[in-house]
Amino acid sequence: GENVEQHPSTLSVQEGDSAVIKCTYSDSASNYFPWYKQELGKRPQLIIDIRSNVGEKKDQRIAVTLNKTAKHFSLHITETQPEDSAVYFCAATDSNYQLIWGAGTKLIIKP
Amino acid sequence: DAGVIQSPRHEVTEMGQEVTLRCKPISGHNSLFWYRQTMMRGLELLIYFNNNVPIDDSGMPEDRFSAKMPNASFSTLKIQPSEPRDSAVYFCASSSTQEQFFGPGTRLTVL
Repeated sequence: GENVEQHPSTLSVQEGDSAVIKCTYSDSASNYFPWYKQELGKRPQLIIDIRSNVGEKKDQRIAVTLNKTAKHFSLHITETQPEDSAVYFCAATDSNYQLIWGAGTKLIIKP
Repeated sequence: DAGVIQSPRHEVTEMGQEVTLRCKPISGHNSLFWYRQTMMRGLELLIYFNNNVPIDDSGMPEDRFSAKMPNASFSTLKIQPSEPRDSAVYFCASSSTQEQFFGPGTRLTVL
């Protein structure tokens, strides 16, 4: 079945710098790759997603890239701000089109 | 729409007691998911329903856990008897496509 690995588990960056979180998946049939952000004490919320027919997608300061050949996808946050501090989860669909989740990355923005 | 509604938001109970968590999905969503989140194990899918039918309950930890969805607008997750290791935040999520919308969660503490 599908397996999603996420790295790093913790990422600390200086405010204003960029942050990159990477995920790999095992099922070549996966076709949907969302990223969720969970602020402390809150629920996970979708921030961006990408489908397998697209290599990159941007939304203001965040972008996601997908490499289907290598079976990995990444979240890029530019010009990081304090409000970007949160736990970020990647996910990929399995053969039943349900999401398999990564373990999460705690992003810390240092002032 | 009010989003996914969960109750109670907080529950403190003693070991051995029965606990029932409730969820009202977003109207029109045909899939419902129960997750458990802890620091040690991250975000775990317990069970999901499609059109009120349980599809995959392989994540349910043991027979003490049970879930029902008697109609399209209501689901319960029951733990009987509860144990201290069940302490966690339990999220309900619903979807009509691949994006999942999470409820605010129930923080369960078993003493």
